Amino acid sequence: SQQGEEDPQALSIQEGENATMNCSYKTSINNLQWYRQNSGRGLVHLILIRSNEREKHSGRLRVTLDTSKKSSSLLITASRAADTASYFCATDASGAGSYQLTFGKGTKLSVIP
Amino acid sequence: EAGVTQFPSHSVIEKGQTVTLRCDPISGHDNLYWYRRVMGKEIKFLLHFVKESKQDESGMPNNRFLAERTGGTYSTLKVQPAELEDSGVYFCASSPHRPTRGEQYFGPGTRLTVT
Repeated sequence: SQQGEEDPQALSIQEGENATMNCSYKTSINNLQWYRQNSGRGLVHLILIRSNEREKHSGRLRVTLDTSKKSSSLLITASRAADTASYFCATDASGAGSYQLTFGKGTKLSVIP
Repeated sequence: EAGVTQFPSHSVIEKGQTVTLRCDPISGHDNLYWYRRVMGKEIKFLLHFVKESKQDESGMPNNRFLAERTGGTYSTLKVQPAELEDSGVYFCASSPHRPTRGEQYFGPGTRLTVT
């Protein structure tokens, strides 16, 4: 499997429900980030969690990180139709000089009004 | 503050032709990155500039790809000659100097179609 693999690949929920997406990775990381991509648009940064953090909140977003299991989850509470997008986790596992991010294939979230 | 911009938004070229993609980072951002997503695959890192210097070009697929960042401002990514497998979306991102290994700001991408 790939570094930064999300599951599920696709998720369809009703507006108001919560959406949970998971991400697994293989190597040690400096941080893990979640991005959103609306159709035809660029990637929008949602939240970053550092390797020494276990949980982080931002508005309706909650991210957890379990470095022992090399996994993270993104929870979107009280979903809205506008949350419909693809969500990617990205890990920063590089050395001191480079800041390259490694992305998973993403979870396509559909929120039905 | 203007975000990262990329030009063109979409390019359709024939196999064997040359295409040049342009990225204008957020003003003042020393770090500039190129990524691409080919059909059905994950977004992959291509290279990282710090100002005008290539910090990491480990993701460049082959010597048909040439990236430059003259003067440490905008960057270009040239594909010459283009092959069918180069089709995909090319993203540029930037981040400030010493971003504490944090957020990268992405542009909208250039969709490249090679026929």
